[in-house]
Amino acid sequence: DAGVTQSPTHLIKTRGQQVTLRCSPKSGHDTVSWYQQALGQGPQFIFQYYEEEERQRGNFPDRFSGHQFPNYSSELNVNALLLGDSALYLCASSFISPSLNTEAFFGQGTRLTVV
Amino acid sequence: QKEVEQDPGPLSVPEGAIVSLNCTYSNSAFQYFMWYRQYSRKGPELLMYTYSSGNKEDGRFTAQVDKSSKYISLFIRDSQPSDSATYLCASKGAYNQGGKLIFGQGTELSVKP
Repeated sequence: DAGVTQSPTHLIKTRGQQVTLRCSPKSGHDTVSWYQQALGQGPQFIFQYYEEEERQRGNFPDRFSGHQFPNYSSELNVNALLLGDSALYLCASSFISPSLNTEAFFGQGTRLTVV
Repeated sequence: QKEVEQDPGPLSVPEGAIVSLNCTYSNSAFQYFMWYRQYSRKGPELLMYTYSSGNKEDGRFTAQVDKSSKYISLFIRDSQPSDSATYLCASKGAYNQGGKLIFGQGTELSVKP
């Protein structure tokens, strides 16, 4: 059973460029959340997608956007990259059920460096 | 004030020691509490997942939650060099409050042979 998979693993971009990161959730999971983890910090919640809609959003600017596809996979897009966007971007998947509150499992992350 | 506070360490212990890792939180709405282990340059790996107050044990790991004092603990018995990693505590509210996890800063642990 494949866990949460993310691509690419590493990425180098120039300030002002745009980037797209991809995530496939764990089998059986229907919800994807994205987090940004700066060096030496805990992950910070960006947003969550369920049923192809953004359900919850953290304190991130509109430059950060996302999408969820019918197969539950997801993309994170960041426009007009800033040096401060350099971080490890983590995708977490879980299963939403009216009677359960399931654990979130993380992928290995995409390390984005903005130069 | 951050919603979840965690001493970043680093914490260094000899092999075989009992390790105590702690977090405090401020949001009374938090009901679910987790500990993740993160090796260098890897994604977080879920270690423990608990609901409300009480203890939960899994092998060498024990998680404790005291909601009255808003205190979260993880104990590691017979620590091994392979336990060397960053440990992240996380919390979230009830189901109807969404699935957003609030993380602490992480504590870097080093277990010396």
